Amino acid sequence: GAGVSQTPSNKVTEKGKYVELRCDPISGHTALYWYRQSLGQGPEFLIYFQGTGAADDSGLPNDRFFAVRPEGSVSTLKIQRTERGDSAVYLCASSLTGEFAQETQYFGPGTRLLVL
Amino acid sequence: AQKVTQAQTEISVVEKEDVTLDCVYETRDTTYYLFWYKQPPSGELVFLIRRNSFDEQNEISGRYSWNFQKSTSSFNFTITASQVVDSAVYFCALRRRWGAQKLVFGQGTRLTINP
Repeated sequence: GAGVSQTPSNKVTEKGKYVELRCDPISGHTALYWYRQSLGQGPEFLIYFQGTGAADDSGLPNDRFFAVRPEGSVSTLKIQRTERGDSAVYLCASSLTGEFAQETQYFGPGTRLLVL
Repeated sequence: AQKVTQAQTEISVVEKEDVTLDCVYETRDTTYYLFWYKQPPSGELVFLIRRNSFDEQNEISGRYSWNFQKSTSSFNFTITASQVVDSAVYFCALRRRWGAQKLVFGQGTRLTINP
């Protein structure tokens, strides 16, 4: 079946602009995660959705970052007033229920964001 | 707090050599899960293995093997008879059994297999 998909694959924007990054999880997966990967680093957790609600948003760096998942499937990560430091690869992952720690998280190909 | 350290930033070997990627973790939890992911140049993280903290048996899958030692908080990954297709960045990750569902990743090890 189809894996996790993310659009766009690349996004170039100017400092101060608003961007939206989309994630389409594996069909039937209740849990959805966003991570951010800076160059040469491992992914860092941003936010976790259980269904439509954000169960853990402790990784969001500041209030410029916001994410939604209104129907419990597709999620959108929104970044306001982008800064050059926001440049990174934004990864989305999904897992079946999110209720069990042994569940595998399946990752999408990521969106490479470049803020000029 | 959870922390994963992959001290080897880059490793380069010649094809057919064996190579071991180190992973050391820190956690106060008594039960937890450890993972290895592969990130090829395409960028997508590919799941390789999961290990729970109460099962210290080593695991082998083809040319891949994993050595989990709770006493030293290590979960090392060995590739036997490496191949060019093994070239990628490899990440070790930790996840709590209870509570937070996030994965905590190490910095990654870039492995290059030269023909």
